Amino acid sequence: ETGVTQTPRHLVMGMTNKKSLKCEQHLGHNAMYWYKQSAKKPLELMFVYNFKEQTENNSVPSRFSPECPNSSHLFLHLHTLQPEDSALYLCASSQDVSGGYNEQFFGPGTRLTVL
Amino acid sequence: EDQVTQSPEALRLQEGESSSLNCSYTVSGLRGLFWYRQDPGKGPEFLFTLYSAGEEKEKERLKATLTKKESFLHITAPKPEDSATYLCAVGTSYGKLTFGQGTILTVHP
Repeated sequence: ETGVTQTPRHLVMGMTNKKSLKCEQHLGHNAMYWYKQSAKKPLELMFVYNFKEQTENNSVPSRFSPECPNSSHLFLHLHTLQPEDSALYLCASSQDVSGGYNEQFFGPGTRLTVL
Repeated sequence: EDQVTQSPEALRLQEGESSSLNCSYTVSGLRGLFWYRQDPGKGPEFLFTLYSAGEEKEKERLKATLTKKESFLHITAPKPEDSATYLCAVGTSYGKLTFGQGTILTVHP
């Protein structure tokens, strides 16, 4: 595997379900990110982790719970979602957060549909 | 508040017809200006980083330039395979990227 991988690629869930998204980076980076991409809207940063520590929570509802066990893996735990949470969820990584100088590399995304 | 505005929202070109995409930004402290390409159903693919006004970078038919208030992505003699959404983002502190809404480029053969 190379780059940033995400599983599953597609997920359909009911509002009462609990599911998790997984992201793995094979680039030796130290920072990882979760973004939400909705139709007709710019990418929205959700969470930032640097060396496994959360450094940014962009006012994300508590029904989204991130977990970063090490610098290569990132999870997004989903619980009691709403239909408006349906979107493409993208994971990215960079060398570190380094004040915004470093380019971020993205995974292919998980297309989430909440019924 | 950091803001990024891309124009046009959509651009349709004939193969070989050169054009430019615009990215205007307002940030408190620019660390980097990033261009990405995104194909339908896929994650954004990194293209360029620009750090200071006057800087230029090229890759095949693409050339990115930067001024103090905007960046341009010039596409020379585009081909149908250049069709994609092109995203611009500005980097500020602590790894934060603020993205524009993108320009959807369609190149007809």
